[in-house]
Amino acid sequence: KNEVEQSPQNLTAQEGEFITINCSYSVGISALHWLQQHPGGGIVSLFMLSSGKKKHGRLIATINIQEKHSSLHITASHPRDSAVYICAVGRRGNQFYFGTGTSLTVIP
Amino acid sequence: DAGVTQSPTHLIKTRGQQVTLRCSPKSGHDTVSWYQQALGQGPQFIFQYYEEEERQRGNFPDRFSGHQFPNYSSELNVNALLLGDSALYLCASSFGGNSYNEQFFGPGTRLTVL
Repeated sequence: KNEVEQSPQNLTAQEGEFITINCSYSVGISALHWLQQHPGGGIVSLFMLSSGKKKHGRLIATINIQEKHSSLHITASHPRDSAVYICAVGRRGNQFYFGTGTSLTVIP
Repeated sequence: DAGVTQSPTHLIKTRGQQVTLRCSPKSGHDTVSWYQQALGQGPQFIFQYYEEEERQRGNFPDRFSGHQFPNYSSELNVNALLLGDSALYLCASSFGGNSYNEQFFGPGTRLTVL
């Protein structure tokens, strides 16, 4: 069983829709990261959080440490949001574990 | 300020050969982590270098080795290449040698083993 599970694996949305991607993890963590990967491979760090909620533009990330669960929300989705979104957790001792990613396609 | 850079961008090798990939961290960062991302999968942690030492290692065989230089840049070496080593190899830099700090990723090196 993977230490980090994401859902859904694939997501297609109409432009303007509100999108939620979920991440559950089974290990104790020091921080959780949400990453965005565009075709071609480049990865951009969107959020790093260890508690509560963070907002950046149309993106919102929340984490519930007790439930070992995090969500990434995209409001007013746009075709340029189309990418793979990856949840990763950092553990004490420097290990990082990654989910397999959620492939998002936003249709105009 | 340059971010994380990696070279080469693409590489094609044959089975049994050896390969060296290079990574320069973001300015001010002293920690370099390497990841392997197979097609359609999430990245897998290979190892992390901090203070020129391998600090943590994922579940990868000894064919995978690395080095960190005094200027914090790093190399990933893979010996006796297998077809299954074909993947995108990502480097990420951070500060302080722990998982509390944000990582910045390079563009990756796509390795194809024929």
